[in-house]
Amino acid sequence: QQQVKQSPQSLIVQKGGISIINCAYENTAFDYFPWYQQFPGKGPALLIAIRPDVSEKKEGRFTISFNKSAKQFSLHIMDSQPGDSATYFCAASKDRGSTLGRLYFGRGTQLTVWP
Amino acid sequence: DAGITQSPRHKVTETGTPVTLRCHQTENHRYMYWYRQDPGHGLRLIHYSYGVKDTDKGEVSDGYSVSRSKTEDFLLTLESATSSQTSVYFCAISSASLGTGEKLFFGSGTQLSVL
Repeated sequence: QQQVKQSPQSLIVQKGGISIINCAYENTAFDYFPWYQQFPGKGPALLIAIRPDVSEKKEGRFTISFNKSAKQFSLHIMDSQPGDSATYFCAASKDRGSTLGRLYFGRGTQLTVWP
Repeated sequence: DAGITQSPRHKVTETGTPVTLRCHQTENHRYMYWYRQDPGHGLRLIHYSYGVKDTDKGEVSDGYSVSRSKTEDFLLTLESATSSQTSVYFCAISSASLGTGEKLFFGSGTQLSVL
């Protein structure tokens, strides 16, 4: 059972446009929601993360929007650039303070930004 | 890649043969993880370790075993490789439990092909 559902599977955006990737979850125990970015031939790397006590977090051109009641969160990339072309994974974790916490990943979105 | 070395980077093997993938870290992080990445499935946790000789199963552990005899090394073994284990394998590390929102650092991956 997929703990975190991510859409779309692929996304094509023109340079300068807004890229939006959505994720949904069911487990209300999740309390940490990171996004990872992966370039071809590389491992994923943490991009930005949010906790459910805030509805939005912005870092440069990247913004996470979080809707706790809908159990959804999304990544917005403003002014998308060709260098943003990568695979993006949303994730969620629970068990704050537990020694055995783990991340549950979405299936990924392949973003292509055309110049 | 945050002091994580995966070896080999590429391997081709035949069905039924044993295969061992190695992850070596220089960060002295307590937690280590093995993920596999497949198109349409995202990142799935195979096994993880929360200390020397302390390991546990992830969501796709069947057909895999792990060992951690030293803090810096985490080995993934496919006892008898099958074609369904053709995948990209990523090692990851963290200094604390992911339930606390700790950042996960990934290696560059091992491309394994089972013919």
